[in-house]
Amino acid sequence: AQSVTQLDSQVPVFEEAPVELRCNYSSSVSVYLFWYVQYPNQGLQLLLKYLSGSTLVKGINGFEAEFNKSQTSFHLRKPSVHISDTAEYFCAVSVASYQKVTFGTGTKLQVIP
Amino acid sequence: DGGITQSPKYLFRKEGQNVTLSCEQNLNHDAMYWYRQDPGQGLRLIYYSQIVNDFQKGDIAEGYSVSREKKESFPLTVTSAQKNPTAFYLCASSHTMAAGGFQETQYFGPGTRLLVL
Repeated sequence: AQSVTQLDSQVPVFEEAPVELRCNYSSSVSVYLFWYVQYPNQGLQLLLKYLSGSTLVKGINGFEAEFNKSQTSFHLRKPSVHISDTAEYFCAVSVASYQKVTFGTGTKLQVIP
Repeated sequence: DGGITQSPKYLFRKEGQNVTLSCEQNLNHDAMYWYRQDPGQGLRLIYYSQIVNDFQKGDIAEGYSVSREKKESFPLTVTSAQKNPTAFYLCASSHTMAAGGFQETQYFGPGTRLLVL
């Protein structure tokens, strides 16, 4: 079975500071990994995804994530956050042999002016 | 503009009542999905459909029903059998699912918040 863990439910960070949102997954086979962002009372929007190839994936709004197979992680990073980055971020995993995407419980990023 | 629309934005359900949530997309996507979002629980898959006139149960299908009569539309009915329907419901669509997995990016609608009177 596949699962994904986002240990931090909330992450406060000052504006222009760097941030890392953690995501760990559990799967015994190859995975596809995603980060989505959700602004208040809206749907989700894809930030970036890893299917194969380079382990460093760049997404929209200056975010990037690194796939680490040995640590089964796919942490999301941004070198300098802006107020507009305040949102909830969801990590998701999909396995080729499973007909589903499993979402994490989300991390709320609060950017403090 | 292409996208996914959901209506209504807010929906109130009375005890024992069935209610239907609308989801329409003009992205020409074959696959469509319904998720339920509860605080602190992430998204849970209710139903999905890969093609017209076909759909599959997700993880929490009990108390819900769907239909897929048109490629553009995937309505969700919350039946009276769903005892705890209060949640935020999200519809999504994607290109045809690659054989063997959900690789494709999912595009989400703005959601419907269902409340019980």
